[in-house]
Amino acid sequence: KAGVTQTPRYLIKTRGQQVTLSCSPISGHRSVSWYQQTPGQGLQFLFEYFSETQRNKGNFPGRFSGRQFSNSRSEMNVSTLELGDSALYLCASSLGASGNGLTDTQYFGPGTRLTVL
Amino acid sequence: AQKVTQAQTEISVVEKEDVTLDCVYETRDTTYYLFWYKQPPSGELVFLIRRNSFDEQNEISGRYSWNFQKSTSSFNFTITASQVVDSAVYFCALSEATSGTYKYIFGTGTRLKVLA
Repeated sequence: KAGVTQTPRYLIKTRGQQVTLSCSPISGHRSVSWYQQTPGQGLQFLFEYFSETQRNKGNFPGRFSGRQFSNSRSEMNVSTLELGDSALYLCASSLGASGNGLTDTQYFGPGTRLTVL
Repeated sequence: AQKVTQAQTEISVVEKEDVTLDCVYETRDTTYYLFWYKQPPSGELVFLIRRNSFDEQNEISGRYSWNFQKSTSSFNFTITASQVVDSAVYFCALSEATSGTYKYIFGTGTRLKVLA
């Protein structure tokens, strides 16, 4: 079974631009979560989607948004990029069978490394 | 508030030594989940274990073992007979419901270096 895939793997943007990252979950997984990893703040939870609905959300500003499609693929969008948004963005998928993707076993993708200049 | 503390920033051991990585958590809920992940230099987080708050049984998987103690709010991870391939950053995480929604909190990670 193929693992979680994320595209692109690397991205360079400038301040003020917006960016869209994509995540394809493991086949059969209905929950997708997004995380940001930076040297200063560590790993932080952004949000979780299940059946096209955002169920859980971390403490990030509204510039960070996401969506999930009917095939469970998910996209994350960051608008008006700031230098501090430079990070590794990780996506994880889980079955969601327990009713909550954040309590299930999550499988992570390789991440998208975003650099904001 | 939820909190996960991994006090050991970096640990170095010589191959074949045993090593324990500490994880202490704070939560007000009686139902929560704890996780351990490994992040090798490639960057991808690898799931190691999931434990819910009602299951305090310790677990062993090959050279890996976990000691969950609710009385001390700890979920420690031991690698027996460490190997160079165990070199990575290890993260402990907590999932807990707050006001009906779940949050996922990672510790700051412990960098393990296993020297040949």
